[in-house]
Amino acid sequence: GNSVTQMEGPVTLSEEAFLTINCTYTATGYPSLFWYVQYPGEGLQLLLKATKADDKGSNKGFEATYRKETTSFHLEKGSVQVSDSAVYFCALKEVIGNQFYFGTGTSLTVIP
Amino acid sequence: NAGVTQTPKFQVLKTGQSMTLQCAQDMNHEYMSWYRQDPGMGLRLIHYSVGAGITDQGEVPNGYNVSRSTTEDFPLRLLSAAPSQTSVYFCASSYSGTGVIFEQYFGPGTRLTVT
Repeated sequence: GNSVTQMEGPVTLSEEAFLTINCTYTATGYPSLFWYVQYPGEGLQLLLKATKADDKGSNKGFEATYRKETTSFHLEKGSVQVSDSAVYFCALKEVIGNQFYFGTGTSLTVIP
Repeated sequence: NAGVTQTPKFQVLKTGQSMTLQCAQDMNHEYMSWYRQDPGMGLRLIHYSVGAGITDQGEVPNGYNVSRSTTEDFPLRLLSAAPSQTSVYFCASSYSGTGVIFEQYFGPGTRLTVT
């Protein structure tokens, strides 16, 4: 079946540090991959997405590349800010059908 | 556009009580879904709908009912609340179509406590 595994948190970084949050998936075929962000007390918001192998999604300085050979979609940012403190979810959408599958979320805290 | 709206924002129930969580969207999305979010478990799909009159079960449907009489609304009913249903509930919607990828839009959530 489909599943998403992402790096356990919580993650604490100093401002301007480099961020990587690992995400790997199991799926049949070529699913679409997403990163969502959840700020405290809010719902999830789409951060970026990629729909085919080698696609790179990017937004707000965050990037992730769809790697079919390693079934991964790691999230990276070169220099984090305090405002990036949130919970980040990796997700996939199956090729056939409409269901999304989410990872367990990784909490990021950025300290000044 | 208001996007996806959910009511109430907070709710406390006693064991055995029933209630309905409301969800509405004004984006004319065919696909709507309900998730619960629990610590360490991410989001788990409860029920979903691909259009008015069509619903299906997700990963954790027991104890919940849904119906979809209009495109806009997708209420979630708790039949007899149990402490295990204490959670944060999110409604989401998106366009639908095999072979076409659309992201989901989420509501702000309902925090439910069952005592």
